[in-house]
Amino acid sequence: SQKIEQNSEALNIQEGKTATLTCNYTNYSPAYLQWYRQDPGRGPVFLLLIRENEKEKRKERLKVTFDTTLKQSLFHITASQPADSATYLCALEGSSNTGKLIFGQGTTLQVKP
Amino acid sequence: DAGITQSPRHKVTETGTPVTLRCHQTENHRYMYWYRQDPGHGLRLIHYSYGVKDTDKGEVSDGYSVSRSKTEDFLLTLESATSSQTSVYFCAISEAGGRENTQYFGPGTRLTVL
Repeated sequence: SQKIEQNSEALNIQEGKTATLTCNYTNYSPAYLQWYRQDPGRGPVFLLLIRENEKEKRKERLKVTFDTTLKQSLFHITASQPADSATYLCALEGSSNTGKLIFGQGTTLQVKP
Repeated sequence: DAGITQSPRHKVTETGTPVTLRCHQTENHRYMYWYRQDPGHGLRLIHYSYGVKDTDKGEVSDGYSVSRSKTEDFLLTLESATSSQTSVYFCAISEAGGRENTQYFGPGTRLTVL
């Protein structure tokens, strides 16, 4: 069956460290993968998109990798800050070119000062 | 929340009553989506629209219907609400429905069915 999995346990790290979140998928062949941030009581906000032919994408302190062989994406936040505390969702295209996104359940990141 | 509003923001209703949630956008985006978000399930697609009067089902469409008579409005209707439809509902919009479909989300509607 098709699955997209993120670590359901919260990730607690110290301010200044690098946070690494994982997104694994099975039985999908996505052309791209996206990461969103969601704060409590609010809708998700788009952060980054990485295409299947891109190994790595960066935006300020954010870095995303996409390994289509391992069927995995890693999301890194360097020099993390308490303001980075949120839930991070990965999403991929459910079936080719339909625009239907399938979301993971999200991983909650808590950055402690 | 990128020119997307949802109404109402909170609603409490009783089992068996009809409920309509409204999503309004000012971005003139072609694609609109309704999701529900529940603990343990994440975001799940209910229905989506790829143009005025063009809609299709998502992953969890049973018990829901949608309508889109104008580009800017996408309505989600629960014909006869059930307690299992208690959830937070998000509307999203997208300019491009196919490749690289970046979605922009509204603030959500918290619906409680008693």
